[in-house]
Amino acid sequence: GAVVSQHPSRVICKSGTSVKIECRSLDFQATTMFWYRQFPKQSLMLMATSNEGSKATYEQGVEKDKFLINHASLTLSTLTVTSAHPEDSSFYICSASPGRGDNSPLHFGNGTRLTVT
Amino acid sequence: DAKTTQPPSMDCAEGRAANLPCNHSTISGNEYVYWYRQIHSQGPQYIIHGLKNNETNEMASLIITEDRKSSTLILPHATLRDTAVYYCIVPVSSGSARQLTFGSGTQLTVLP
Repeated sequence: GAVVSQHPSRVICKSGTSVKIECRSLDFQATTMFWYRQFPKQSLMLMATSNEGSKATYEQGVEKDKFLINHASLTLSTLTVTSAHPEDSSFYICSASPGRGDNSPLHFGNGTRLTVT
Repeated sequence: DAKTTQPPSMDCAEGRAANLPCNHSTISGNEYVYWYRQIHSQGPQYIIHGLKNNETNEMASLIITEDRKSSTLILPHATLRDTAVYYCIVPVSSGSARQLTFGSGTQLTVLP
């Protein structure tokens, strides 16, 4: 089945620094990937849609200058949390689908636990 | 987008069938129903999806009512490892891709 890999699985960084999270589709190409954020005891919230070769689309309330998304290839999207603050501590998850406009299910990475101290 | 409604929690005895209901009364004719689950501190795992016919795979069965306004996910022999939050989702089309909007889901607890 389709595999989506995220790296790192856990990261601790100091306030004010930037952190990059990678999302790779291992056995398929993905023109679109999605980035989610999940706070403790809450459901996943869509942050942005990452489009290969073009700008990402951000959900309302998500700062595009703070959460930089780059989707430079058909198998890799990166999310960079810039100038991280403790309130950015969360579980970040990406997803992708082998299909394009069809009903292929989206597959998820195992998430990245970010802790900002 | 079609909104889904699920009970917040359910218990099931180990070895028994777990039947998780979902209402999606505003679903339109060409929208699929997807089921995912999330085990604590992991990414969501795809389980199954369907349009109007019942579906079965190695993980579960999906029963969709004839009017398509509700569905039931069936785990035939629940194990302790099936304890998770189960999400019933009807995706929103966005350009060439589909967005998944996660609700609160159903916390299934499989009891020994």
